[in-house]
Amino acid sequence: DAEITQSPRHKITETGRQVTLACHQTWNHNNMFWYRQDLGHGLRLIHYSYGVQDTNKGEVSDGYSVSRSNTEDLPLTLESAASSQTSVYFCASSQGGDRTGELFFGEGSRLTVL
Amino acid sequence: AQSVTQPDIHITVSEGASLELRCNYSYGATPYLFWYVQSPGQGLQLLLKYFSGDTLVQGIKGFEAEFKRSQSSFNLRKPSVHWSDAAEYFCAVVDSSYKLIFGSGTRLLVRP
Repeated sequence: DAEITQSPRHKITETGRQVTLACHQTWNHNNMFWYRQDLGHGLRLIHYSYGVQDTNKGEVSDGYSVSRSNTEDLPLTLESAASSQTSVYFCASSQGGDRTGELFFGEGSRLTVL
Repeated sequence: AQSVTQPDIHITVSEGASLELRCNYSYGATPYLFWYVQSPGQGLQLLLKYFSGDTLVQGIKGFEAEFKRSQSSFNLRKPSVHWSDAAEYFCAVVDSSYKLIFGSGTRLLVRP
């Protein structure tokens, strides 16, 4: 079965360190998204991609970067982790077109920045 | 800008009772609307969607939602709640750049 996987599921790091969260999907979806989830804020979009070599900033992109070198993967990098980036991060993918908005989510990566 | 408001942070219902979760959206054109559910420690799962046509849409797990343009609402309903429905529910709208914008969520608690 097709799926979307995130790793690591849990990570503790220190302020200032670089962190990369991996996201891999086997749906062959063109569209991929990274959200963060914080209490009281729901899910907020960090970055998204509509295809290989395409990346776009979401509403909370400061301090984050992504790259899309193939269809399957969209890694999220925190260049210099800050305590404000302690959160649960969700990767999602979608087919687009008449399936726009139908997202398939990974199980999340819980990041703690000390 | 497009936005979604879920006015209830928490809702508690008794098992077997009916449920209605509120969602209001802000969007100029005909919206694409969604409800997602998140069980503890899990990612989100699509419950149902509205693109056009019949304003009452059916979803999985016995849920339905009604689109009311005059009220800018897309409320989620279930006639009889089960203990396994306890979760967080998110309403969402697709914006003009085809991105999904989520509300802040409503946590449903089910009393035995």
